[in-house]
Amino acid sequence: EVRLLESGGGLVQPGGSLRLSCAASGFTFNRYAMSWVRQAPGKGLEWVSGINSNGTNTYYGDSVKGRFTMSRDNSKNTVYLEMNSLRAEDTAVYYCAKSGRYYFDPWGQGTLVTVSS
Amino acid sequence: EIVLTQSPATLSLSPGEGATLSCRASQSVSTYLAWYQQKPGQAPRLLIYDASNRATGIPARFSGSGSGTNFTLTISSLEPEDFAVYYCQQRSNWPPWTFGQGTKLEIK
Repeated sequence: EVRLLESGGGLVQPGGSLRLSCAASGFTFNRYAMSWVRQAPGKGLEWVSGINSNGTNTYYGDSVKGRFTMSRDNSKNTVYLEMNSLRAEDTAVYYCAKSGRYYFDPWGQGTLVTVSS
Repeated sequence: EIVLTQSPATLSLSPGEGATLSCRASQSVSTYLAWYQQKPGQAPRLLIYDASNRATGIPARFSGSGSGTNFTLTISSLEPEDFAVYYCQQRSNWPPWTFGQGTKLEIK
């Protein structure tokens, strides 16, 4: 069974930083792209970032470009999202998802990031 | 960036009825479109990929159709567990991968 477990969310002040992790199991991790998708409270889904299977290519949405960095450690079956210069509008549940063929399946349970003073 | 527009925003139906949800793309995405279901407090779940292929474990009452710019998700006979929010997503022109704004399917 494929499992994705996010961690690292929490309350952070505007301008602060946070690092999210997503531990994967149940599939050959180093063969698949991975993504982060977020959902602000009561809102829809927004793709945030993606990374290819070997970590050589990363992609970012315009709203986070230059502030967020996605990476992966295939020896640990884990992807990361380093978030800097956080803003109130970054408040959301952050999901990681396996991105075979660039659809998102499955998703983790999500981790909540709240940016507030 | 490809914009996906879903309609209606809210659909009120009764169990046993059929449902038709629409997703329109701002430019052609061929058949590179997926549908997801999200229930309150849960992560989204992939239902349909490449416009018409059911994902693993998805009941046959869910079907997808369309190509180019117009797509439809059809639920043939609504079960109580089908009332949720549905999103479409394209992978034709990326980045970014984009989602529609969602259709809420609620019990009438």
